[in-house]
Amino acid sequence: GEDVEQSLFLSVREGDSSVINCTYTDSSSTYLYWYKQEPGAGLQLLTYIFSNMDMKQDQRLTVLLNKKDKHLSLRIADTQTGDSAIYFCAESIKAAGNKLTFGGGTRVLVKP
Amino acid sequence: KAGVTQTPRYLIKTRGQQVTLSCSPISGHRSVSWYQQTPGQGLQFLFEYFSETQRNKGNFPGRFSGRQFSNSRSEMNVSTLELGDSALYLCASGPGHANEKLFFGSGTQLSVL
Repeated sequence: GEDVEQSLFLSVREGDSSVINCTYTDSSSTYLYWYKQEPGAGLQLLTYIFSNMDMKQDQRLTVLLNKKDKHLSLRIADTQTGDSAIYFCAESIKAAGNKLTFGGGTRVLVKP
Repeated sequence: KAGVTQTPRYLIKTRGQQVTLSCSPISGHRSVSWYQQTPGQGLQFLFEYFSETQRNKGNFPGRFSGRQFSNSRSEMNVSTLELGDSALYLCASGPGHANEKLFFGSGTQLSVL
């Protein structure tokens, strides 16, 4: 079945790297996504990775996928105060079309 | 390109009433999905529409329904509102293929009193 888990909270100092972790259970996941949500806003797609990839880098963002352990991580380099938000990982499964299953979200607080 | 537009932004209703929410996807996108976000249950999938047909459905009661028009705009309806229906309702737009990048609107915040 589908289940996506994330830690609840992460505190980081401005300029440091942040690493947000996510685990999923469905081995038939096709795409895994990271979304960012700021207060009072919708979800902003940050990046995504296809399930046959191990890593994807996009400017300050690095996504690592360990298929064996069903573990996904998002690393944000040089974290800024504007990165303070809730981050959601999500998976889609080939058989389920565009249905996304989301984790509970990780609240990231960046301290100056 | 304009983003995903959801209206209204805020809505207050009372128990027993019904409500209709609207979503206009990104121009050229043919898939519209709806999600409910609450503090207790998180983000949950309601349904997806593609070419005016419901393509996928989540585990919500029949009080939750939707439709899609020929211009890809979608509406979601909730009848006989309950207090627990208070939530942020998010709409996601996609080109139409399965397993693709989805772009979300800012949502409609529904409060049921």
